Amino acid sequence: KQEVTQIPAALSVPEGENLVLNCSFTDSAIYNLQWFRQDPGKGLTSLLLIQSSQREQTSGRLNASLDKSSGRSTLYIAASQPGDSATYLCAVIEGGSEKLVFGKGTKLTVNP
Amino acid sequence: SAVISQKPSRDICQRGTSLTIQCQVDSQVTMMFWYRQQPGQSLTLIATANQGSEATYESGFVIDKFPISRPNLTFSTLTVSNMSPEDSSIYLCSGDRGTEAFFGQGTRLTVV
Repeated sequence: KQEVTQIPAALSVPEGENLVLNCSFTDSAIYNLQWFRQDPGKGLTSLLLIQSSQREQTSGRLNASLDKSSGRSTLYIAASQPGDSATYLCAVIEGGSEKLVFGKGTKLTVNP
Repeated sequence: SAVISQKPSRDICQRGTSLTIQCQVDSQVTMMFWYRQQPGQSLTLIATANQGSEATYESGFVIDKFPISRPNLTFSTLTVSNMSPEDSSIYLCSGDRGTEAFFGQGTRLTVV
């Protein structure tokens, strides 16, 4: 059974700092990996999608990497801003399935 | 990217009653998914909904408690039946466009 783990569970940084969020998964036979952002009490906003054949994806200040063989992904946020404060969720889709398996998320607080 | 409109955004319900949550997608999607997010937890898949067939439920979820309709390729409903305080959660629907999943805004349900 696929399990997704996110470390750390919570992170507090000063504005302007670069930071890395970590995601690991137990079964490397994934179809793709997706990073989401969730604001309190709200739905999920897709940030980046990495397909299994890709190593990384970039969008603005965000960069996500994927190492399938080791079962790891990182989300790098450059020059963090208070507006980046949210919970960041990592999810994988296993090959042969369209179901997302989520980690528990990392709650990020960026202090002004 | 595709947009899902989900309503209601929140509700407070009496125990023993039922609530129906609606999701409308701005374009056709083959599969839609319903998730539950209990307080402080990550997302758990309830069921997968295809048009014209009965939804497929995950372990621990049953049709009598969470009946789902999928009358066409742009719409789905989830009903939470005979509610108890343990059903207090955020409920989210999602669809996928190719390989990327996208979500509605979520329904925050409180059962009193």
